[in-house]
Amino acid sequence: AQTVTQSQPEMSVQEAETVTLSCTYDTSESDYYLFWYKQPPSRQMILVIRQEAYKQQNATENRFSVNFQKAAKSFSLKISDSQLGDAAMYFCAYRSGRGSARQLTFGSGTQLTVLP
Amino acid sequence: KAGVTQTPRYLIKTRGQQVTLSCSPISGHRSVSWYQQTPGQGLQFLFEYFSETQRNKGNFPGRFSGRQFSNSRSEMNVSTLELGDSALYLCASSSPGTYNEQFFGPGTRLTVL
Repeated sequence: AQTVTQSQPEMSVQEAETVTLSCTYDTSESDYYLFWYKQPPSRQMILVIRQEAYKQQNATENRFSVNFQKAAKSFSLKISDSQLGDAAMYFCAYRSGRGSARQLTFGSGTQLTVLP
Repeated sequence: KAGVTQTPRYLIKTRGQQVTLSCSPISGHRSVSWYQQTPGQGLQFLFEYFSETQRNKGNFPGRFSGRQFSNSRSEMNVSTLELGDSALYLCASSSPGTYNEQFFGPGTRLTVL
């Protein structure tokens, strides 16, 4: 079974600064997808960024980028120019690329605080 | 395009009762997944439905069940509620295609007294 580990329960960053959230995962599969989701106080889960395991290039979405290290099974999220609206719980998630199953396996989350 | 909707948003029940939660996916999405979120266990997968068939199931007791209708709307049912069933229940619909990204609804907050 796949597992996802987020070792930082809480992080804080100064507004306009950069912060990196860590995520490691364990799998024996070679085909999979990784995601970062954001859950603000409203509890609405919002997809931030995704990465396909077969792609060596790190994904980027505006101020959000990932550092995907497949051999090390590491998938960190970097938030640049942090904004107050980035404050939320961030979840790393794994999905197998095999078969038709779409279930996500989530990490325990990192609570990000943005300081003005 | 309207997002995933879940009803009701909040629910209070007592132990032993049963409850039904509803999820309407994004138009065109045929896959619906359910997750339970609690402070202690985090986010856990309950089950996934595709074209009215349960395609995958998580490690939950048989008191948790679901179904999907021909219009892709899904319901989940919890019978004989226990205090530990208090949670945020999230529904997600999945787009067709390579990435099968899951788009989540706002959740139903269930409190069992």
